[in-house]
Amino acid sequence: GQNIDQPTEMTATEGAIVQINCTYQTSGFNGLFWYQQHAGEAPTFLSYNVLDGLEEKGRFSSFLSRSKGYSYLLLKELQMKDSASYLCAVKDSNYQLIWGAGTKLIIKP
Amino acid sequence: GAVVSQHPSWVICKSGTSVKIECRSLDFQATTMFWYRQFPKQSLMLMATSNEGSKATYEQGVEKDKFLINHASLTLSTLTVTSAHPEDSSFYICSAGQGETEAFFGQGTRLTVV
Repeated sequence: GQNIDQPTEMTATEGAIVQINCTYQTSGFNGLFWYQQHAGEAPTFLSYNVLDGLEEKGRFSSFLSRSKGYSYLLLKELQMKDSASYLCAVKDSNYQLIWGAGTKLIIKP
Repeated sequence: GAVVSQHPSWVICKSGTSVKIECRSLDFQATTMFWYRQFPKQSLMLMATSNEGSKATYEQGVEKDKFLINHASLTLSTLTVTSAHPEDSSFYICSAGQGETEAFFGQGTRLTVV
């Protein structure tokens, strides 16, 4: 079966750095996505990785290793507004998005 | 980025009635749209894939006669929850893709059936 694993919840301190990991086992791979979702709102796109390596976009970076079936989302200079759920999703061989359950990130002052 | 508009943002309806949710792609044409349902503290669950001009493809366990999907144009897909019951209360979200690199989501619809 297809599976995406990410931690259920993480806590970090304002101004710090946090890394949210995601491992996946899917039938085929056509890209990995990270989305941010605030409570009661729809997800918003953060990043897309299809090749191995690090993609940096401001305070957020995303890393991919296809051979390991592994990705992480790195958030720097954490702000209170970064408190949200972070969803990892993979497009499989049919280009269907397979979603992880999300990681709830709690930022403390 | 592309814009997907979903309406209404929230709706409360009586048990047994039907509710229609609209999803529009505002600045691009979407031959395919996706409908998701999300229960509290759970991930997105794909309900169906809406294809312009043809029948929707439903995921296993989703009742196609209960969740009617119509994708009559390249910019509009609708989801109708028929004979809604309290267990249908959920957050419904549509998305549309632009190329292969990302999906754009509507704002979501909070449905409460009383």
